[in-house]
Amino acid sequence: GAGVSQTPSNKVTEKGKYVELRCDPISGHTALYWYRQSLGQGPEFLIYFQGTGAADDSGLPNDRFFAVRPEGSVSTLKIQRTERGDSAVYLCASSLSGGRTEAFFGQGTRLTVV
Amino acid sequence: DQQVKQNSPSLSVQEGRISILNCDYTNSMFDYFLWYKKYPAEGPTFLISISSIKDKNEDGRFTVFLNKSAKHLSLHIVPSQPGDSAVYFCAASGAGGGNKLTFGTGTQLKVEL
Repeated sequence: GAGVSQTPSNKVTEKGKYVELRCDPISGHTALYWYRQSLGQGPEFLIYFQGTGAADDSGLPNDRFFAVRPEGSVSTLKIQRTERGDSAVYLCASSLSGGRTEAFFGQGTRLTVV
Repeated sequence: DQQVKQNSPSLSVQEGRISILNCDYTNSMFDYFLWYKKYPAEGPTFLISISSIKDKNEDGRFTVFLNKSAKHLSLHIVPSQPGDSAVYFCAASGAGGGNKLTFGTGTQLKVEL
């Protein structure tokens, strides 16, 4: 596809369960970002990958959150022992390089923890 | 603490008039500023940016102004069109920050016929 693709679009899970959110970046983009947008707020930075490695994970709120990008393309955001406060839209973005090149966002995954 | 602030949650403007969206920031390390536009159920899309070495950047109907001493930037849209109705986010990054962005809370713009 031409843009950043995120799956699933919506995810409802029970408190305490484990979830995985997937991001397919634009082909050839080496930089990948995860953001989280809570209701009424702007997107909040979580983690940045340059290639396969996490260059900056300072935004991950706690050790229940983990992300991988094993082949430098698709990334998975993993949340363990989900809590109701994790409910948000999780946005993925990719850019051609790690500098100030334009970042393209996916449509997001709406996670609801009940 | 909210390092990027958009104090107007909503703005309503008539078609053809100017829309002015405002943004304030507190972190003096920010040196690159962007505006994103977001439609419902879509991700944010990049609109325009400005580096701290400039005070104005223009792209068609969109102009961003930066006042570093006041730590304030604004987005001007003229003339406003109904298709401009969306949520507008101001974002900022510091040196070396790339696309590690700090976003404001957004302003919902409604352009009325």
